Amino acid sequence: QKEVEQNSGPLSVPEGAIASLNCTYSDRVSQSFFWYRQYSGKSPELIMSIYSNGDKEDGRFTAQLNKASQYVSLLIRDSQPSDSATYLCAVLPGRRALTFGSGTRLQVQP
Amino acid sequence: DVKVTQSSRYLVKRTGEKVFLECVQDMDHENMFWYRQDPGLGLRLIYFSYDVKMKEKGDIPEGYSVSREKKERFSLILESASTNQTSMYLCASSLSGLVMQETQYFGPGTRLLVL
Repeated sequence: QKEVEQNSGPLSVPEGAIASLNCTYSDRVSQSFFWYRQYSGKSPELIMSIYSNGDKEDGRFTAQLNKASQYVSLLIRDSQPSDSATYLCAVLPGRRALTFGSGTRLQVQP
Repeated sequence: DVKVTQSSRYLVKRTGEKVFLECVQDMDHENMFWYRQDPGLGLRLIYFSYDVKMKEKGDIPEGYSVSREKKERFSLILESASTNQTSMYLCASSLSGLVMQETQYFGPGTRLLVL
């Protein structure tokens, strides 16, 4: 079992819709959770971090964390074509370095 | 703004060559990391360092070594490059190991081709 699992996609949504990206992790001691966005040919950039159970909102992005279910998600409201990218889920397990999922490719159709 | 720079964007080397990839950060971060990224496999941690002259193996350290002589610089060394080391190499840094300070910032990446 991979430590961090994501559906590789592509997830295709129409412009203006809500995109929902999901991630599960296996290490129960993980405390910190991150969503990175990576455009093709570019390096990852941080979108959101979340540390406590519940929702955290930042503009059009909402991160949701459920530690009991070992599940973290990212919602993108009013999706735009510029949101088309690969979204990487990352968790901080019992060491200082992040463990990344393999990413979900999102395509927003104009 | 945090800036992480990598010495080369593209590199072509021959099998058996010794390869050095350099990474520099300008924000006095304690932690530095080297990942490789391959299609379908995501980012995999090669090595990381949480202090000068300190290093820890990541998930795929075989065939690689690292050096951190100064806080701002972290080098990845391929002792004898092989074709299966053709990949995108990403360097990252973070402030410290404390919760809320471990956001990692990435450099632009080095795409290495080993012939």
